[in-house]
Amino acid sequence: SAVISQKPSRDICQRGTSLTIQCQVDSQVTMMFWYRQQPGQSLTLIATANQGSEATYESGFVIDKFPISRPNLTFSTLTVSNMSPEDSSIYLCSVPLGGQTFFGQGTRLTVV
Amino acid sequence: RKEVEQDPGPFNVPEGATVAFNCTYSNSASQSFFWYRQDCRKEPKLLMSVYSSGNEDGRFTAQLNRASQYISLLIRDSKLSDSATYLCVVEGAGNKLTFGGGTRVLVKP
Repeated sequence: SAVISQKPSRDICQRGTSLTIQCQVDSQVTMMFWYRQQPGQSLTLIATANQGSEATYESGFVIDKFPISRPNLTFSTLTVSNMSPEDSSIYLCSVPLGGQTFFGQGTRLTVV
Repeated sequence: RKEVEQDPGPFNVPEGATVAFNCTYSNSASQSFFWYRQDCRKEPKLLMSVYSSGNEDGRFTAQLNRASQYISLLIRDSKLSDSATYLCVVEGAGNKLTFGGGTRVLVKP
C-alpha cells in the first residue's frame, strides 16, 4: 500500500491569489495524478504528473492555471493560480500502486 | 453522454436489507473497473475491484456485464456503517481513472 501525505488539508484564500498543494508519498512512484472534486460532484482528472517530464493536462485544464511540479519520485505539487470562487473545490492527489489507486486526504479550498 | 454514469440516489435502506445499484460506462475498450467508497469529507477508498467473472467480498458482490457495459454492486445485510457514496470507477490507458458521479446510500435503523 501507499501512504500519501497531502498539505494543506484546507485553506480559505482571497481571489486573485495562488495556493500550492503538496503531496508526499512514502514509496517511489512513476505516476501521480491530480484530481478536482467540486461541491456535490465526483472527481475529475486535472493532470498526470510524471517525474522528469512535463505534466499532461486533461481537456479544460491548462498549465498556466494549474502548474505542477514533480521534482522526484515521491513528491509533487499542484498550484491553483489566480484563484476565483469557481476554484473552490477539493483537490486530491493519487498514485497507482500494486493494482490499486491511493488518494491523499484532499485539500478543501474555499476562495472568497 | 458522460463516460461513467450512476444513479445519484440516495438509496434509503433499512438496516439488514439488501441494496443494489448499477453503473454504465461508454468506452467499450475499458479494461479495469472498481467500486470506491467515499465518506463525507473524506478521500475515496477502494472498496473492491470488479472482475469479469464477478466477485464477492463479504457482504459485497460486484458484477460486470461487458455486453451491456455496466457494472453492479450489491450490499447484503446492510449496516449503518455502509452509509456512504459509492463511486463507480473505470480505468483507462495510463492508469487514468474516470469516476461516476457516485451513488449515495443511507442505511437507517
